[in-house]
Amino acid sequence: DQQVKQNSPSLSVQEGRISILNCDYTNSMFDYFLWYKKYPAEGPTFLISISSIKDKNEDGRFTVFLNKSAKHLSLHIVPSQPGDSAVYFCAAINSGYALNFGKGTSLLVTP
Amino acid sequence: DVKVTQSSRYLVKRTGEKVFLECVQDMDHENMFWYRQDPGLGLRLIYFSYDVKMKEKGDIPEGYSVSREKKERFSLILESASTNQTSMYLCASKTGTASYNEQFFGPGTRLTVL
Repeated sequence: DQQVKQNSPSLSVQEGRISILNCDYTNSMFDYFLWYKKYPAEGPTFLISISSIKDKNEDGRFTVFLNKSAKHLSLHIVPSQPGDSAVYFCAAINSGYALNFGKGTSLLVTP
Repeated sequence: DVKVTQSSRYLVKRTGEKVFLECVQDMDHENMFWYRQDPGLGLRLIYFSYDVKMKEKGDIPEGYSVSREKKERFSLILESASTNQTSMYLCASKTGTASYNEQFFGPGTRLTVL
């Protein structure tokens, strides 16, 4: 039973435009949400996170928005760059040890 | 910087072989994890360990076992490899139980079972 869902397997965006990656979750007990970025043949690397008590967290070009009532979060990348092309995983945790991951969205930023 | 290393980047084994995947972290993290990543399925948790000699099953433990004899090392064992265990295996570590503590991942082992 997938508790974290990324319904778009892929996204293509032009360089300089905004990339918006979406994530939905079903477990209202999740207290932290994280985004990881993964290049081929490498392990995922942490990108940005947000606590369930906040609705926005910003770090440079990356902003994560959380809508608890809709159980939805999104990652905005502005402006998008070709080096942002990667698979992005949304993850959530419930005061415990293990992350619940979505299936990932493959982002392609074209010049 | 946290470093999580995995013993092999690529591994080819035959059906029925016993396979050991090793993971070592250098930051004295209590928690270590094994995931597998498959196209269209994302990252799925196989096992995790929150202390030496302690282990917990994740979402897909069948066909796997683990060993944690030392704090820095977490091994994943495929007792009898099968073709459906062909996958990318990722090890991760984390300190403490706070939700905001980041998990750090190793580079992954691409295992092919023939």
